[in-house]
Amino acid sequence: DTGVSQDPRHKITKRGQNVTFRCDPISEHNRLYWYRQTLGQGPEFLTYFQNEAQLEKSRLLSDRFSAERPKGSFSTLEIQRTEQGDSAMYLCASSDLTGMSNQPQHFGDGTRLSIL
Amino acid sequence: AQKITQTQPGMFVQEKEAVTLDCTYDTSDPSYGLFWYKQPSSGEMIFLIYQGSYDQQNATEGRYSLNFQKARKSANLVISASQLGDSAMYFCAMRVSATGTASKLTFGTGTRLQVTL
Repeated sequence: DTGVSQDPRHKITKRGQNVTFRCDPISEHNRLYWYRQTLGQGPEFLTYFQNEAQLEKSRLLSDRFSAERPKGSFSTLEIQRTEQGDSAMYLCASSDLTGMSNQPQHFGDGTRLSIL
Repeated sequence: AQKITQTQPGMFVQEKEAVTLDCTYDTSDPSYGLFWYKQPSSGEMIFLIYQGSYDQQNATEGRYSLNFQKARKSANLVISASQLGDSAMYFCAMRVSATGTASKLTFGTGTRLQVTL
């Protein structure tokens, strides 16, 4: 069990540029989640996948955001035309779908995005 | 809509003492789960403990225990015998799950715990 892996750890970019983050979940986990965490706040849900299907998207996920999980394994989160307000920590989590409600979500170390 | 409230922005505790971190929640769904996570300054979220809405007993995991008072809608985390390594942000989170399957977590704003010598 190697844990949830996120890449890159840090991303600094100019306003208006596009950025893409990658998340590799725990290998046997079929659910994958993206959250955003701003300074002083708890994580806020963005979207989640079950295998390759994107099952729910938050209203926080504007048209500039797109997430994919093409083969049901790793996922990418792309932000187009970045804005200052996109500066945040982007967290990925995965969980096992066993029908047991006590299964926790396991989080990666996050990608910290800074918009100049 | 679900909501988690953590009213303590920061807490101090002396090493080896016990500390309680408060969490209240709001949901109209009868089936839900409550989680506590620890977030050190490095950023990763570490799962600590889980309490289900139908669990009869309070959850315990090593030095962590959960004081679950369903009627008051509170799920306070108790850390016994605090250690310097416990210094971190602590988040309470809820998952509403009528079918028992996994779904998104709703987090509180967190409590920063500082353990002192």
